[in-house]
Parts: sequence; structure tokens; C-alpha cells
Amino acid sequence: AQSVTQLGSHVSVSEGALVLLRCNYSSSVPPYLFWYVQYPNQGLQLLLKYTSAATLVKGINGFEAEFKKSETSFHLTKPSAHMSDAAEYFCAGNTGGFKTIFGAGTRLFVKA
Amino acid sequence: DAGVTQSPTHLIKTRGQQVTLRCSPKSGHDTVSWYQQALGQGPQFIFQYYEEEERQRGNFPDRFSGHQFPNYSSELNVNALLLGDSALYLCASSLVGQQNTEAFFGQGTRLTVV
Repeated sequence: AQSVTQLGSHVSVSEGALVLLRCNYSSSVPPYLFWYVQYPNQGLQLLLKYTSAATLVKGINGFEAEFKKSETSFHLTKPSAHMSDAAEYFCAGNTGGFKTIFGAGTRLFVKA
Repeated sequence: DAGVTQSPTHLIKTRGQQVTLRCSPKSGHDTVSWYQQALGQGPQFIFQYYEEEERQRGNFPDRFSGHQFPNYSSELNVNALLLGDSALYLCASSLVGQQNTEAFFGQGTRLTVV
């Protein structure tokens, strides 16, 4: 069975600091993996996606993620946090079926 | 190009009532999925529609039903509403067979059951 686990429901960083949001997946087949961002009372916006073309994936707003099969991880990073990055972030996966499985989300707080 | 549009944006219903939520997919998309997002949780898959048929269903009771129209738009119906049905309902559209591409999400419908 496929599952997606996000480590840490809340992460707090200072403006300008490194952002690291953790995601691990469990799947019997190589998955397609995604990171979405959600601002309050909004839908989900795609940050980036992994589709096996490259293990290091660059997305919008300076975010990137690295797919590590040996660690079954797909952590999201950004070198320097900005106040506007404060939001809820969701890791999600799809093994080629009809549904995408989402993690529980990590809320990112950015301190001035 | 209009993205995914959902209506209404907010809705308040009483326990036991029925509700219908609507979704228009992104132009060019033919598949619509519905998700329930309870407060503080990730979206949970309800079901997906393609060619006016339900293709897969998540772990939701039969009180949740749906429909897809020839123009690919979709409705989500919930009967006999419970307090626990209060959530943000998200519609996502995609292209059939394109699981390696992202689904595009609407802004959601916030349903409150009182």
C-alpha cells in the first residue's frame, strides 16, 4: 500500500534561514511525487514534481527537492526563507493509479 | 485560461440536509477528482470521475456520490449531512492517463454543518 508521511506538523525558521520540510513515502513501485503549497482558505498550488527524469527537482519560488530511493525520501528545501513562504505544505504521491495520496501537511512559520 | 473553478465558495447546512458542490475543470482536462480536507489534515481522496463514470473511490460512505457531465464538469453530492462532514472540499482536474503530471486544484468549497 502506498503512504506518504511528513515529519513534523510545524516547522519554524527565521527569515533568511534554510527551510527543510521532510517527506517519506512507502510504495511497492516507484512513485510520482509532488509538493504542494496551500495558503489560508486557498486551494493547493504545485511547487514541484518528481517523475523519474531527474532526482533533484527544482520548483517555483526557489524551492527544490531531492528524490532518494535508498531513503524513500523526498525532502523539500529552500536556501533562504522569506516571510511570504509561511503556509501549509503537502507532500503527495501517485503510483500510477487514479488517486493521489497526501501527507498530513507541515505548517511553516517564518520569523522576522 | 480559466483554471479549476468551484462553487459555491462557502456553504452552511444543517445536520440531515443534502448538499451539492460543483466543479468545472481546467480547460482541456477530462478527469475530475474530489477530496475532503478536514481542518488541520491533508486532503483525503473521495472519488474520481472520467467519461461520466466513477473510476475509483476512497474510503467514504455511500452518502457521498458524484456525477460528471458531458462537458467534464462535475458535482459532489452529500446526503444526510453529519457534523463531521464539515470540511474544505477540493476539486482537482487532470488528463486521463497522466498520473505523472500534477492535478490542478480549485479554491475549494468550505462546508460547515451545524
